[in-house]
Amino acid sequence: SQTIHQWPATLVQPVGSPLSLECTVEGTSNPNLYWYRQAAGRGLQLLFYSVGIGQISSEVPQNLSASRPQDRQFILSSKKLLLSDSGFYLCAWRNYGAGNSPLHFGNGTRLTVT
Amino acid sequence: GNSVTQMEGPVTLSEEAFLTINCTYTATGYPSLFWYVQYPGEGLQLLLKATKADDKGSNKGFEATYRKETTSFHLEKGSVQVSDSAVYFCALNPNFGNEKLTFGTGTRLTIIP
Repeated sequence: SQTIHQWPATLVQPVGSPLSLECTVEGTSNPNLYWYRQAAGRGLQLLFYSVGIGQISSEVPQNLSASRPQDRQFILSSKKLLLSDSGFYLCAWRNYGAGNSPLHFGNGTRLTVT
Repeated sequence: GNSVTQMEGPVTLSEEAFLTINCTYTATGYPSLFWYVQYPGEGLQLLLKATKADDKGSNKGFEATYRKETTSFHLEKGSVQVSDSAVYFCALNPNFGNEKLTFGTGTRLTIIP
């Protein structure tokens, strides 16, 4: 069966420090991969998605970047964190090209920038 | 463009009450529709889905029917429990060449004993 791993679960970082969040998927090949952010009490904001290795689409101009160095690995990064980067970050995957396939989410990383 | 409009929360109900959370959508063609649930401190979990008009998705006592004529996918449960307290998200996928789901803003549900 397919599983998705996301880490760390919680993170407290000072303003101006770098960030690296990692997400890996097991049990499937060539998945679509996504990074979402959820601000406190708010809905989901799609940050990046990828349909293949090295293919990254950015939804919102911001202080963050994403990379997909391997088929089932998706990394969210920042060179210098801002206070506004605080939030709950969710990685997700779905089967490539399957329109009615649902998203499968990781357990999320709660990032607090101080 | 595609959009999902959800009933604004928060919603507070007593245990064993009947639940409806409204969801309407705008999309071209024949999208697939989903309900996700997010328990406190966790990621989202798929609750149910429907892929074509008049389909009924169901799971854990929850139901939603894909109504193309009213572009709706309302979530219902006949008797809620305290354990149903969570945030519920409605979402659609357009089903043609677009790899992104569109989510509603979420509805926070609290069930009091």
